[in-house]
Amino acid sequence: NAGVTQTPKFQVLKTGQSMTLQCAQDMNHEYMSWYRQDPGMGLRLIHYSVGAGITDQGEVPNGYNVSRSTTEDFPLRLLSAAPSQTSVYFCASSQLGTSGGNEQFFGPGTRLTVL
Amino acid sequence: KNQVEQSPQSLIILEGKNCTLQCNYTVSPFSNLRWYKQDTGRGPVSLTIMTFSENTKSNGRYTATLDADTKQSSLHITASQLSDSASYICVVSETSASGGSYIPTFGRGTSLIVHP
Repeated sequence: NAGVTQTPKFQVLKTGQSMTLQCAQDMNHEYMSWYRQDPGMGLRLIHYSVGAGITDQGEVPNGYNVSRSTTEDFPLRLLSAAPSQTSVYFCASSQLGTSGGNEQFFGPGTRLTVL
Repeated sequence: KNQVEQSPQSLIILEGKNCTLQCNYTVSPFSNLRWYKQDTGRGPVSLTIMTFSENTKSNGRYTATLDADTKQSSLHITASQLSDSASYICVVSETSASGGSYIPTFGRGTSLIVHP
């Protein structure tokens, strides 16, 4: 049981380049989400999904796209990277439903630098 | 707008001492409150969950309290260890329209440093 995995761990992009951050979970969780974490800002929700084929925007969605074709995978796409997207990105998953069932399990993070 | 405010922003204590971290929230309707520990370079890990009917819950040297009336929670760390150095994040979830619970609001965290 690998939990939540993210690739790559580190990435350097030039302004304007595009890339996809991969996220996968093997816990059969319905809910998956992407966060970015910047110094002094805490974790901010980018996009989330409550199941395959269903996605929605979070607090800071601009410049990012997501899709959820399977329960296991939830990739995050940067369409045209900007220096403001330099951050650490975390993917998380959890069960939906009752109040005791939504512990979020986080991946190890992807540290992205945009030059 | 739902908000979660944590204090202090950072804290430095000596090994073996106790400390208390605070979390105030405005999330409504309230579903649950979790405290997460985030070690440097890693993703957050859940320490404890508090639901509306719970006042106190312990996990080893960590004790969380919840006052749902004043919308405040605290995390008390007893006999601190060097490994307690981390960021502690308060996350409050609201109940969705369908009755489920998956909409979390994150605090900015308290950075704790434990010195030998």
